[in-house]
Amino acid sequence: NAGVTQTPKFRILKIGQSMTLQCTQDMNHNYMYWYRQDPGMGLKLIYYSVGAGITDKGEVPNGYNVSRSTTEDFPLRLELAAPSQTSVYFCASSYSAGKLFFGSGTQLSVL
Amino acid sequence: KNQVEQSPQSLIILEGKNCTLQCNYTVSPFSNLRWYKQDTGRGPVSLTIMTFSENTKSNGRYTATLDADTKQSSLHITASQLSDSASYICVVRSEGTGNQFYFGTGTSLTVIP
Repeated sequence: NAGVTQTPKFRILKIGQSMTLQCTQDMNHNYMYWYRQDPGMGLKLIYYSVGAGITDKGEVPNGYNVSRSTTEDFPLRLELAAPSQTSVYFCASSYSAGKLFFGSGTQLSVL
Repeated sequence: KNQVEQSPQSLIILEGKNCTLQCNYTVSPFSNLRWYKQDTGRGPVSLTIMTFSENTKSNGRYTATLDADTKQSSLHITASQLSDSASYICVVRSEGTGNQFYFGTGTSLTVIP
């Protein structure tokens, strides 16, 4: 099993550009999450999903969008990139809010 | 307000020495508490889970404790190794629907030879 796979690992964006961070899991988990991790800060929840077709906002959703058309995939969309979105992004999945399985992260810089 | 606080923020120890990391929480209602290890450039990985009825649990050289009355947990690392250098994150799960996980800011541990 690959677990949780995120792509890309690194990305540099210019202000105003858009991009999609991809996340897929092969563990048939119903719950999926997107977190951002800023230096010296705890992980903050951006969006989460409890199953295909169901998404909900987390603590810091502004500037992001998500969709969950399948159990496996949970992409995160940045529409108009801003310097404040420079961070490390982690996708995670779990079975019914149990142990979290994280991807290896995407380091994003917005310049 | 549901919060998780960890101490110390960072710690440097000599290889072979023991150390203890602390986690205090105000999350309610409490479901469980997990310690995660995050290596540099990687996602966090679960080390151990503590439920309300458990006081102590070991996973190799890692021993976690939980005092549900005082809402405190600790992670004790015995005979540290260079590979223990990482960030250790305390995550408390609350009962209920929706967002149920509360993260500490982590303790950065550096083990030096």
